[in-house]
Amino acid sequence: DIQLTQSPSSLSASVGDRVSITCRASQSISNYLNWYQQKPGRAPKVLIYGASNLQTGVPSRFSGRGSGTEFTLTISSLQLEDFSTYYCQQSYSTPPITFGQGTRLEIK
Amino acid sequence: QVQLQESGPGLVKPAQTLSLTCSVSGGSISSGDYFWSWIRQPPGKGLEWIGYIYYSGDPYYNPSLKSRVAISVDTSKSQFSLKLSSVTAADTAVYYCVRGAPQLGITGDSYYFMDVWGKGTTVTVS
Repeated sequence: DIQLTQSPSSLSASVGDRVSITCRASQSISNYLNWYQQKPGRAPKVLIYGASNLQTGVPSRFSGRGSGTEFTLTISSLQLEDFSTYYCQQSYSTPPITFGQGTRLEIK
Repeated sequence: QVQLQESGPGLVKPAQTLSLTCSVSGGSISSGDYFWSWIRQPPGKGLEWIGYIYYSGDPYYNPSLKSRVAISVDTSKSQFSLKLSSVTAADTAVYYCVRGAPQLGITGDSYYFMDVWGKGTTVTVS
């Protein structure tokens, strides 16, 4: 099974900051990597699919890049509503569907 | 717009079977493009995929749960279901029903991701 490792596990930042979260796969997954945002008490929602494609309705301050085994989610200018937990998920080799362990983004 | 709604007991006794149903509205459960999945999240922890099924195909399960889980689809009721047997406290979690869908990327490749989620239902094993 493909393992996904996110770093950092938690991150403190301020409104307006540019932040990046990394997801590393245990083997090449081409660009079959999705990113989700989850707010407390809510279901996750997809932000990025296929490593770099912005889901409809997601603000353009979110972007994704990468291929193979290393991927990055970047938020160009943090807004209050972006403080959440972020998960990567691979769709290259399924089943099983696997997620990263999550990155909690907190207000500094 | 497709909506998913989980239903089932919020409290299950150890060693019993957890049973949940997901009702699909606003769209067809019988489209071959989509898969229907269950994902859970223990308190304070990350997301764990339980399994998925296409309406006309075999189900696929997380190997760590395979011996205890069953997912099925009832197209006549537009529902899919989860059964997890021999539960323990470790199965306490929020359970989400989820739709997996393909989407074309800018390059024309097709990618699957979970595009519609239920609100989640909390199941406590105690």
